[in-house]
Amino acid sequence: SQQGEEDPQALSIQEGENATMNCSYKTSINNLQWYRQNSGRGLVHLILIRSNEREKHSGRLRVTLDTSKKSSSLLITASRAADTASYFCATDEGAQKLVFGQGTRLTINP
Amino acid sequence: NAGVMQNPRHLVRRRGQEARLRCSPVKGHSHVYWYRQLPEEGLKFMVYLQKENIIDESGMPKERFSAEFPKEGPSILRIQQVVRGDSAAYFCASSPGQERALGYTFGSGTRLTVV
Repeated sequence: SQQGEEDPQALSIQEGENATMNCSYKTSINNLQWYRQNSGRGLVHLILIRSNEREKHSGRLRVTLDTSKKSSSLLITASRAADTASYFCATDEGAQKLVFGQGTRLTINP
Repeated sequence: NAGVMQNPRHLVRRRGQEARLRCSPVKGHSHVYWYRQLPEEGLKFMVYLQKENIIDESGMPKERFSAEFPKEGPSILRIQQVVRGDSAAYFCASSPGQERALGYTFGSGTRLTVV
């Protein structure tokens, strides 16, 4: 089943600007994670937010979670060319498996 | 302390052949997961294994696909009689399994192309 849905599907901004990506999900969760995938590469874990947390920061990343709306956002501040990648949210669904959204393709223009 | 190792990185098979994808988890991790990613899409869960046991195979196609995680050696995802629609990137992840869906480490994937 498709749990997370990212919005927008693609985002193109200028270097230095902030990038915001959103994720919605359907069922109750224990935690929500964001991953980055560079073209043709594997996934890199960025940040995890638990269901009892509302906001979390890690460097230039800021994640929010609204369990009442079943949504999360990932903000990347002061974007760099190296941030160009696809970003996925993932939620736990029972046991141990993760359910991923379709991803947001972020392009940072120099 | 190596991460999850997948091999081969790229695999080309003709229709009807078998594909065997290997995954060595992080040392000490006893939980392995396989995911498939079609072009321009997210990862789709296939199967979750612990040593010698399949825990959840709800994402595995009913035919031609099988997975194992033996007591010794890597986890194997096996696709028999491959078809063009099997072309995708296959990712393996491992975790220590101590907390739900936490501590995942992903491999770099195997890109399967069926010609």
